Amino acid sequence: EADIYQTPRYLVIGTGKKITLECSQTMGHDKMYWYQQDPGMELHLIHYSYGVNSTEKGDLSSESTVSRIRTEHFPLTLESARPSHTSQYLCASSETRTSEDEQFFGPGTRLTVL
Amino acid sequence: DQQVKQNSPSLSVQEGRISILNCDYTNSMFDYFLWYKKYPAEGPTFLISISSIKDKNEDGRFTVFLNKSAKHLSLHIVPSQPGDSAVYFCAARGYGQNFVFGPGTRLSVLP
Repeated sequence: EADIYQTPRYLVIGTGKKITLECSQTMGHDKMYWYQQDPGMELHLIHYSYGVNSTEKGDLSSESTVSRIRTEHFPLTLESARPSHTSQYLCASSETRTSEDEQFFGPGTRLTVL
Repeated sequence: DQQVKQNSPSLSVQEGRISILNCDYTNSMFDYFLWYKKYPAEGPTFLISISSIKDKNEDGRFTVFLNKSAKHLSLHIVPSQPGDSAVYFCAARGYGQNFVFGPGTRLSVLP
């Protein structure tokens, strides 16, 4: 069973606030990801990390930033939230020691910016 | 430009019958494919995978078929159960690349 956690699950916040979405995994996976998903749409990769102190931007441009100071922790920060940031944010991790690197997802954070 | 397409936004199937979910891709470099299931308010959960060296992979009620020449894969669920009602995502990647996800198909299994 996957052990990947996201907090908060739901967040409603006003425009201009700084927010951090937390993601932690206890599987020791080296790769971690952040996806953004709007209803009925595909998951878009916004950030990923191959290990500690490694972060890369994904395919979808995002104003958010991430950090990877510890293997198990991959928080995402929005310095100034805007209504356009309203979406579901999904964190995932994977093990890449084999060629089959299925991603395990957390439950997601549904963010609403008013 | 969508590299992974799931052209049916929704599908309804009677309990006990076969559900067939389709996925098409455009990138010929994709060599590994996954199917995920997602319930509301939860993250996607991995279902089944297939690599390009195979054309079929089976796991219990779930079978994935890959047609490389047509750049098409399908997920078969037999027999379908009400608990299978969820959104199903297809994902694909090339070697060393990140996965690209389709938009999903909402499956409803009617009792």
